[in-house]
Amino acid sequence: GDSVTQMEGPVTLSEEAFLTINCTYTATGYPSLFWYVQYPGEGLQLLLKATKADDKGSNKGFEATYRKETTSFHLEKGSVQVSDSAVYFCAANTGNQFYFGTGTSLTVIP
Amino acid sequence: ETGVTQTPRHLVMGMTNKKSLKCEQHLGHNAMYWYKQSAKKPLELMFVYSLEERVENNSVPSRFSPECPNSSHLFLHLHTLQPEDSALYLCASSQDPPGQLNEKLFFGSGTQLSVL
Repeated sequence: GDSVTQMEGPVTLSEEAFLTINCTYTATGYPSLFWYVQYPGEGLQLLLKATKADDKGSNKGFEATYRKETTSFHLEKGSVQVSDSAVYFCAANTGNQFYFGTGTSLTVIP
Repeated sequence: ETGVTQTPRHLVMGMTNKKSLKCEQHLGHNAMYWYKQSAKKPLELMFVYSLEERVENNSVPSRFSPECPNSSHLFLHLHTLQPEDSALYLCASSQDPPGQLNEKLFFGSGTQLSVL
C-alpha cells in the first residue's frame, strides 16, 4: 500500500550546521509531497510542498526537491538555527488521502 | 483568531467517562478531519467530513463518535475509552474536498488525551 518513510531521529545539530532529513514515498501515480513542522505544544504547520517531478519547494531557508526517479523528497537547510528545533513530518497526498511519516525530531543546540 | 482551534488542550479521563473534543475552523474550508498522533507512529486518519457529510471512517472503534453540525465545527465524542487510546488528537481542515491533489491540510494544536 501507499506509505511514507522518513529517517528516524532524534537528530541533534549545532547551530549553523547543515540539515538533511530523508524521506521516500511509495504510491501509485504522482502524489503531491509536503513537509510539515510541529513545534512543541502545537499542531502541524505546512512548511513547503511540491506537486510534480523536479519541483522544488522552499520556505524559511528549507528546501526539498521532488525526485520521481528515486521517489524521494529530502528536506535540507544550509544553516540551522535554535528556533528550527521541532518535529518534521514528510507527507504524500495521493488524491485518495494523506500519508504521513513517523516524524523526525530535530534539536539545534547553540 | 488562529485558523483551526481545538479545545480542550489537555484532557484526562477515566475509562468509564464520556467526554467530547471540539474543533472550530475560521478559514471557510469545506472539509474537516480527525487524526490520531501516537509516538513513533504515522498520523492515523480517523474521520473525514466534506460539506458536513462523513466521507471516510477508517475502521475506527465505535467508542469514538464524530459529529459535524456545520462546516465550521467538528466534535469527537469519547465513551469508554481504553488506555491505548491515549494520544494527541489533531483536527485539520482543507479548502478543497478530499481527493484533490492540490489539497493542503491546516491543523489545530491538538488535544492531548490521557486515559487512566
